[in-house]
Amino acid sequence: DAKTTQPNSMESNEEEPVHLPCNHSTISGTDYIHWYRQLPSQGPEYVIHGLTSNVNNRMASLAIAEDRKSSTLILHRATLRDAAVYYCILRKGNTPLVFGKGTRLSVIA
Amino acid sequence: DAGVTQSPTHLIKTRGQQVTLRCSPKSGHDTVSWYQQALGQGPQFIFQYYEEEERQRGNFPDRFSGHQFPNYSSELNVNALLLGDSALYLCASSLLASGTPGELFFGEGSRLTVL
Repeated sequence: DAKTTQPNSMESNEEEPVHLPCNHSTISGTDYIHWYRQLPSQGPEYVIHGLTSNVNNRMASLAIAEDRKSSTLILHRATLRDAAVYYCILRKGNTPLVFGKGTRLSVIA
Repeated sequence: DAGVTQSPTHLIKTRGQQVTLRCSPKSGHDTVSWYQQALGQGPQFIFQYYEEEERQRGNFPDRFSGHQFPNYSSELNVNALLLGDSALYLCASSLLASGTPGELFFGEGSRLTVL
């Protein structure tokens, strides 16, 4: 499985944008980039995914580098509820999700 | 619309015992996957069930087994429990027939403690 690298932790002020980076230099052409997050005491929840083009949904935006070797999850206005562990995952088709340790995001009021 | 439901939420067992965990997938989903999450780690894939058969399996011993029923619900069984089996067990459901990388919906998990 292609590997992703994320910072262990990040901190953000409430109501400010947050950019969560992910490096995946060994990504293959058929790998989709998925982001999930896990709030305290809950199971992971889907955030967004993309292949080559940038993607937007109600939760976040995903910016994918032109060479696809890195991507950035963007939360436009962080709230206290966004404090969670964020996982960047490469996935081919419907293969199982392979989780790393993710980035723990803290949001300061 | 109920999401993924798991039971029990918490349980305590002793070494050598057996445990069964249950999962009901989100309405309309046909595939159930099980994950183990140790404290401070990301979830690790155990296996996936589709059409009542195990389709994919992670690096877990045969002590871990499962079942999927005709109504798509699923059970995870762990035999001969070890202290290291203490973890949060997560069930995730998806729709395999979607043809594109389907979003997985996770339950809140069953927290197993082995003493």
